[in-house]
Amino acid sequence: IVLTQSPGTLSLSPGERATLSCRASQSPGSTNLAWFQQKLGQAPRLLIHGTSSRATGIPDRFSGSGSGTDFTLTITRLEPEDFAVYYCQQYGSSPYTFGQGTKLEIK
Amino acid sequence: EVQLLESGGGLVQPGGSLRLSCAASGFTFRNYAMTWARQAPGKGLEWVSLISGGGDDTFYADSVRVRFTVSRDNSKNTLDLQMNSLRAEDTAVYYCAKGGWAAAADYWGQGTLVTVSS
Repeated sequence: IVLTQSPGTLSLSPGERATLSCRASQSPGSTNLAWFQQKLGQAPRLLIHGTSSRATGIPDRFSGSGSGTDFTLTITRLEPEDFAVYYCQQYGSSPYTFGQGTKLEIK
Repeated sequence: EVQLLESGGGLVQPGGSLRLSCAASGFTFRNYAMTWARQAPGKGLEWVSLISGGGDDTFYADSVRVRFTVSRDNSKNTLDLQMNSLRAEDTAVYYCAKGGWAAAADYWGQGTLVTVSS
């Protein structure tokens, strides 16, 4: 399954809303989609699993949605620490592929 | 507290071999599948391999199939990745992560750098 993320780069200001897209070449199953955040020099951090469930300790400004082949990560009211690279990943069918990432940068 | 500590990275010549290890603590290791993923310098994440909790099921990315072998020792809470016939394009930070099979990988180690170069 190929995951295509858009946009490649998203330039926004703190306080704004971010909408990141992940499109799959075929459905990974509605509960087999995750989102990760990665900051420079750090390991990935799980944000969302099962398409829409927040991982432990993740603030409620992060939310996931979608079904079939189209999935979305939404970050309401961007905080300075949210500017990072975001990856979607499907774990429904091996190989358990990642998208190419969306860089969220400060405008 | 879940902790994952990778080791074994380093510089290796093309065609050479390297064995990575991941020491796990803070959870019941045998109950969870484990994942290896990698990230080439300046690039995105690439899923590499997964092994089931009991070790009976293994999965690989096409790019490493046949060359890499994942294994685990549930008595020692360790995960290994044997990498043979290494190529320049295998140069990356390699991460181990808890989970990944029918559940997202929820904890990740800090990674170990593998450099394949002559």
